[in-house]
Amino acid sequence: GQNIDQPTEMTATEGAIVQINCTYQTSGFNGLFWYQQHAGEAPTFLSYNVLDGLEEKGRFSSFLSRSKGYSYLLLKELQMKDSASYLCAVMDSNYQLIWGAGTKLIIKP
Amino acid sequence: NAGVTQTPKFRVLKTGQSMTLLCAQDMNHEYMYWYRQDPGMGLRLIHYSVGEGTTAKGEVPDGYNVSRLKKQNFLLGLESAAPSQTSVYFCASTPGLASETQYFGPGTRLLVL
Repeated sequence: GQNIDQPTEMTATEGAIVQINCTYQTSGFNGLFWYQQHAGEAPTFLSYNVLDGLEEKGRFSSFLSRSKGYSYLLLKELQMKDSASYLCAVMDSNYQLIWGAGTKLIIKP
Repeated sequence: NAGVTQTPKFRVLKTGQSMTLLCAQDMNHEYMYWYRQDPGMGLRLIHYSVGEGTTAKGEVPDGYNVSRLKKQNFLLGLESAAPSQTSVYFCASTPGLASETQYFGPGTRLLVL
């Protein structure tokens, strides 16, 4: 079966760095996505990786290793507004997104 | 440019009642999706559409029907609601299959008693 694993919850301090991991087993691979979802709101796109390596976008970076079925989202200089759930999703061979359950990130002052 | 909108935002149904959720997008996107999101679980695809007049089943289609009569609208119907359908429903759209981004509506919270 298809499976996306990510930690349920993480806590970090304002101004610090946090890494959210995602491992996956899917039928085919057409890219990995990270979305941010604030409580009670819709998911919004953060990053997309289809090739191995690191993609950097301001304070956020995303890494992919296809051979290991592994990705991480790195958030730097954490701000209180970064408190949200972070969803990992993989596009499978049928071009459908398979979603992880999300990682709830709690930022403490 | 409103993006993706959903109506209603919240609804309470009794078991056995029917209702239709409406999703509208003004971005001229070809592909539209209906997901449900439940606590502790990832988003699950109910049905999707790759263009006007076409629909296909996703991961959890049972108990739901859909229609895409106009390109901008994607309707999700519950013919006979059950408590197991209590969830948050999200609609999303994307220009194409390999598009990097799915654009989501604000969600509809449905409670079935």
